[in-house]
Amino acid sequence: SQTIHQWPATLVQPVGSPLSLECTVEGTSNPNLYWYRQAAGRGLQLLFYSVGIGQISSEVPQNLSASRPQDRQFILSSKKLLLSDSGFYLCAWKQGLGTEAFFGQGTRLTVV
Amino acid sequence: AQSVTQPDIHITVSEGASLELRCNYSYGATPYLFWYVQSPGQGLQLLLKYFSGDTLVQGIKGFEAEFKRSQSSFNLRKPSVHWSDAAEYFCAVASRDSSYKLIFGSGTRLLVRP
Repeated sequence: SQTIHQWPATLVQPVGSPLSLECTVEGTSNPNLYWYRQAAGRGLQLLFYSVGIGQISSEVPQNLSASRPQDRQFILSSKKLLLSDSGFYLCAWKQGLGTEAFFGQGTRLTVV
Repeated sequence: AQSVTQPDIHITVSEGASLELRCNYSYGATPYLFWYVQSPGQGLQLLLKYFSGDTLVQGIKGFEAEFKRSQSSFNLRKPSVHWSDAAEYFCAVASRDSSYKLIFGSGTRLLVRP
């Protein structure tokens, strides 16, 4: 069966520090991968999605970037965190058109 | 632009009462439609989905949703709410093209009065 791993669960980082959040999927190949951010009262904002290795689509201009170095690995990064980057980050995967997405347990990022 | 609207930020219902959560979408063509539920600090769990066919779909935990093309709506319903249903609910749409884009509404937080 397929599983998705997202870590760390919680993270407290100072302003200006770098960020790296990792997401991996097991039990499937060539998944579509997604990064979302959830801020209080703002729902799930789609940040990036990827349909294959090295293929990244960015939804909103921001202080973050994403990479997909391997088929089942999706990384969210920042060179210098801002206070506004605080939030709950969720990774998700889905397999092809017309399928549901499966979510990781999320990372609570607090920038101080 | 593609969008999903959940007009109710919070809804409070009494336990045992019926529930309807609203969802409207704006898309070029009828997308795939989903409802997810999120417990505090957790990821999202799929309640139900609509791809085609019967416009009334049944999901887990006694939920159902009805797709109305003329209204671009996909409202979630439950005839009798339980205290354990208190959570945040998200409507989502996915494109039917190869972009695989999946976007969510802003969510509705459900509070259940004992």
